[in-house]
Amino acid sequence: AQRVTQPEKLLSVFKGAPVELKCNYSYSGSPELFWYVQYSRQRLQLLLRHISRESIKGFTADLNKGETSFHLKKPFAQEEDSAMYYCALSGRGSTLGRLYFGRGTQLTVWP
Amino acid sequence: DAGVTQSPTHLIKTRGQQVTLRCSPKSGHDTVSWYQQALGQGPQFIFQYYEEEERQRGNFPDRFSGHQFPNYSSELNVNALLLGDSALYLCASSLESRFEAFFGQGTRLTVV
Repeated sequence: AQRVTQPEKLLSVFKGAPVELKCNYSYSGSPELFWYVQYSRQRLQLLLRHISRESIKGFTADLNKGETSFHLKKPFAQEEDSAMYYCALSGRGSTLGRLYFGRGTQLTVWP
Repeated sequence: DAGVTQSPTHLIKTRGQQVTLRCSPKSGHDTVSWYQQALGQGPQFIFQYYEEEERQRGNFPDRFSGHQFPNYSSELNVNALLLGDSALYLCASSLESRFEAFFGQGTRLTVV
């Protein structure tokens, strides 16, 4: 069964510190992985997807198929990074476009 | 482009009633998906519409039904409301299934 696990509900770091938001998944096949972000009073928006291999707002995420993980990292956190982060996966074939979300991690970056 | 718009933003209903939520997709998008987000949880997929047909469905009872119109807008209907249906309902649109999904602000449904 498809599942996305985000073990940390809350994560706090100080400005300038490295941050890593963990995401593990289970899926029988090759999923597509995403990170979505929701800033305060804004809508859910795509931060990055693994196939594009981009760095968005200094965040990167590497898909580790052996460990079935897709952790989100940033070397130097900024206060404006404070938000709710959701890891999500989409299957292929008949479930293409259906997103399975984790429960989310609330990141707080202190000044 | 206003992006994905949902109406209403908030709604209070009584147990047993029926509710209709509406979604207008981002301009140029033809696929609409609906998600339910309970408090403290991630969004859960309800169903997806493409070319006015339900293409995929999540693990939700038949009380949840939907519709897509020729202009790609969509409705989510929930019958016989239960207290447990209280949640944020999100609409997402995309160009077919394989491209980025854009989300609306959601409709907060409270069942009392």
